[in-house]
Amino acid sequence: GQNIDQPTEMTATEGAIVQINCTYQTSGFNGLFWYQQHAGEAPTFLSYNVLDGLEEKGRFSSFLSRSKGYSYLLLKELQMKDSASYLCAVKDSNYQLIWGAGTKLIIKP
Amino acid sequence: GAVVSQHPSWVICKSGTSVKIECRSLDFQATTMFWYRQFPKQSLMLMATSNEGSKATYEQGVEKDKFLINHASLTLSTLTVTSAHPEDSSFYICSARRVEGGASDTQYFGPGTRLTVL
Repeated sequence: GQNIDQPTEMTATEGAIVQINCTYQTSGFNGLFWYQQHAGEAPTFLSYNVLDGLEEKGRFSSFLSRSKGYSYLLLKELQMKDSASYLCAVKDSNYQLIWGAGTKLIIKP
Repeated sequence: GAVVSQHPSWVICKSGTSVKIECRSLDFQATTMFWYRQFPKQSLMLMATSNEGSKATYEQGVEKDKFLINHASLTLSTLTVTSAHPEDSSFYICSARRVEGGASDTQYFGPGTRLTVL
């Protein structure tokens, strides 16, 4: 079966750095996406990785290792507004998005 | 940027009535739109894939006669919840796939519609 694993919840301090991991087992791979979802709102697109390596976009970076079936989202200089759920999703061989359950990130002052 | 709108944002209805939710891609054409449902504290669950000009593809366990989907144009898809019941109360989110070339096609989400059935 297809499976996306990410931690249920993480806590970090304002100004710090946090890494949210995602491991996947899917039938085929056509890219990995990270989305941010604030409570009661729809997800918003953060990043896309299809090749191994690190993609940096401002305070957020996303890393992919296809051989390990592993990705992480790195958030730097954390702000209170970064408190949200972070969803990892993989596009499989049928170009369907398979969603992880999301990681709830709690930022403390 | 790619903008997707949904209407209404929230709706409260009586049990047995039907509710129509619209999803529009405002600044791009979307041959494919997706409808998701999300219960509190749970992840997104894909309900159906809507392709312009053809019948929607429903996920296992989703009743196609209850959740009617129409994708009449490249910028509009509608979801109608027929004979809604309290267990249909949920957050319904649509997304539109923006064609950027191959596997990098990104889904952009609408703001969601919160449905409460009394």
